[in-house]
Amino acid sequence: QKEVEQNSGPLSVPEGAIASLNCTYSDRVSQSFFWYRQYSGKSPELIMSIYSNGDKEDGRFTAQLNKASQYVSLLIRDSQPSDSATYLCAVTSGAGNMLTFGGGTRLMVKP
Amino acid sequence: GAVVSQHPSRVICKSGTSVKIECRSLDFQATTMFWYRQFPKQSLMLMATSNEGSKATYEQGVEKDKFLINHASLTLSTLTVTSAHPEDSSFYICSARDPRPDTQYFGPGTRLTVL
Repeated sequence: QKEVEQNSGPLSVPEGAIASLNCTYSDRVSQSFFWYRQYSGKSPELIMSIYSNGDKEDGRFTAQLNKASQYVSLLIRDSQPSDSATYLCAVTSGAGNMLTFGGGTRLMVKP
Repeated sequence: GAVVSQHPSRVICKSGTSVKIECRSLDFQATTMFWYRQFPKQSLMLMATSNEGSKATYEQGVEKDKFLINHASLTLSTLTVTSAHPEDSSFYICSARDPRPDTQYFGPGTRLTVL
């Protein structure tokens, strides 16, 4: 069974610190990797996509992909209280390129 | 990023009525759309995958006769909850796949309350 695993948290970091969110996946042929942010009572919002090994930076966010280790991470620099949310890792795989979600990691940024 | 709209954003209805939710991709053509349900403090649960011009594929345990899905065009999919009951009260979220590059965008969701 294809799986995407995340630590449910909560991950608590002080304001201004770096938050590091991790995700592992089981399907070796996965091609596309995504991080979504979901605030309580809202729908998920795409914040990062990454398709090849290495780092991808967008503002305060950096996604890191290591296909050999089947590992994808999201770093949030200078964390703000407004970053407090659940972060969902998602991976596409299979013939239909279905998107499989992890259970999400709840991040709390304390002022 | 791409925009996906959903309508209505919130609906309250009486038990036994049917409710239709629309999902539109506003700036790209989505050959595939997805319908999710999320109960409070729980993970997203995929209900069905909708491909334009063909029948939807339902996940195990989701009643296809209760949750009718129509994907009539490349920009519109609808979910109809038939004969809704209080246990159908939930947050229904659609998403649409943009093939270039392969990315999935979510609509803002519809909160359904069945009295």
